[in-house]
Formats: sequence, C-alpha cells, structure tokens
Amino acid sequence: QQQVKQSPQSLIVQKGGISIINCAYENTAFDYFPWYQQFPGKGPALLIAIRPDVSEKKEGRFTISFNKSAKQFSLHIMDSQPGDSATYFCAASMMGGGSNYKLTFGKGTLLTVNP
Amino acid sequence: EAQVTQNPRYLITVTGKKLTVTCSQNMNHEYMSWYRQDPGLGLRQIYYSMNVEVTDKGDVPEGYKVSRKEKRNFPLILESPSPNQTSLYFCASSFSIGRLGELFFGSGTQLSVL
Repeated sequence: QQQVKQSPQSLIVQKGGISIINCAYENTAFDYFPWYQQFPGKGPALLIAIRPDVSEKKEGRFTISFNKSAKQFSLHIMDSQPGDSATYFCAASMMGGGSNYKLTFGKGTLLTVNP
Repeated sequence: EAQVTQNPRYLITVTGKKLTVTCSQNMNHEYMSWYRQDPGLGLRQIYYSMNVEVTDKGDVPEGYKVSRKEKRNFPLILESPSPNQTSLYFCASSFSIGRLGELFFGSGTQLSVL
C-alpha cells in the first residue's frame, strides 16, 4: 500500500520558471512532511519540511504548501535554476514514531531545469 | 564532519555469495535504517534500528539481515544474494525516533547480483 503518492514522475522547466511537485498522503496520523533532494551519485538530503499546524513554509526559493483537509502538500521552486536539477522526494512520518518507525517516501520526481 | 559512511560504493557479486555492506555514522544517532532505491519504486525501507540491539523489519526485509551491536554501526547482510536484490542501497540515520523525518543519508552502494 503506497501511503504517499507523488506527481509528476518527471518535470522539465525553463530557467527562471516555477517548478511544482505534488504529494498526497492517506494516513492522517502523519505529522511531519519533509522534502528530500537527491543529486546523481549522492544520497537524498533534507531540503525543507513542514508540520501540519501551518499551511506554508518558505526557505529561500523553496516553499511547501500544505492542505490538511485535502491531505495534500506540494513543493514550489521559484526562479528555478539548472543547479536545481535533481530528483525530489516527498515523505511523511509520525514524529513520535508510533507504530510506524519509518519515513515513508513518494516515488520521486526527476526535475530538469533547462538553461 | 558529520556523516554517514557506507562501503563499498560499488559491488558486483554472484548469486549465493554472502556479502556485507557496512554503514557507520559519527553523529551519535540512535536511529538507523536501510533503504533500497529502484527505478519507479522510490525508496523502500528494508530494516531499521531504534538503538543498540533493537532492530525491526521494514517494508521489504526478505533476503536481508542486520545487526546493531554498536551505536555507530549498522551493517546490512545478504546471506544468499539473488538477482532481484540488484539495487542502490542507502543507509540513513537520525538523532532519535522523534526526529526520524530528519534523516542523514550515506552516499549509497550500487549492488549488482549476477
């Protein structure tokens, strides 16, 4: 059972454009929603994260929008740059662990930013 | 430098030949986990450990073993590798269960089983 659904699988954006990646979750017990960025040949690295008590979090050009009622969250990359080209994973977890001692990942989005 | 170190980076082996992928972290993290990454399937958890001598299965544990005898080390053991275990493997750690959303990943081990 896939608990975090991510779309699109791949995305091509022009330099300076806005990249948007969407995720939907099923388990309402999730209370922490991070995004990870992975460059070729590297492990994923935490990019930005949000808790469900806020609807938006911004760090530089990266913004997470969160819709608790719809069980959806998205990553927006403003002014996309070629250096942003990477695979992005959304994820969800329960901060206290609960019965789910893991970070559940979406299947990833390959972002290509053309110069 | 805070890091998670995996070895080897690349490994080619044959079916049935036991192998171990090592993982070590220098951040005194309690929680450690192994993931495999396959095209179109994303990252799937194999095993995790909440602390020394405490391990449990993830989503895809079949064919794998782990141990956590020391806090810093969490090796992944394939007793009898099969071709369907060809994959990119990542070790990850976090400070505690309460912060398992903040994982630090190693650089990965690309395993090919012939």
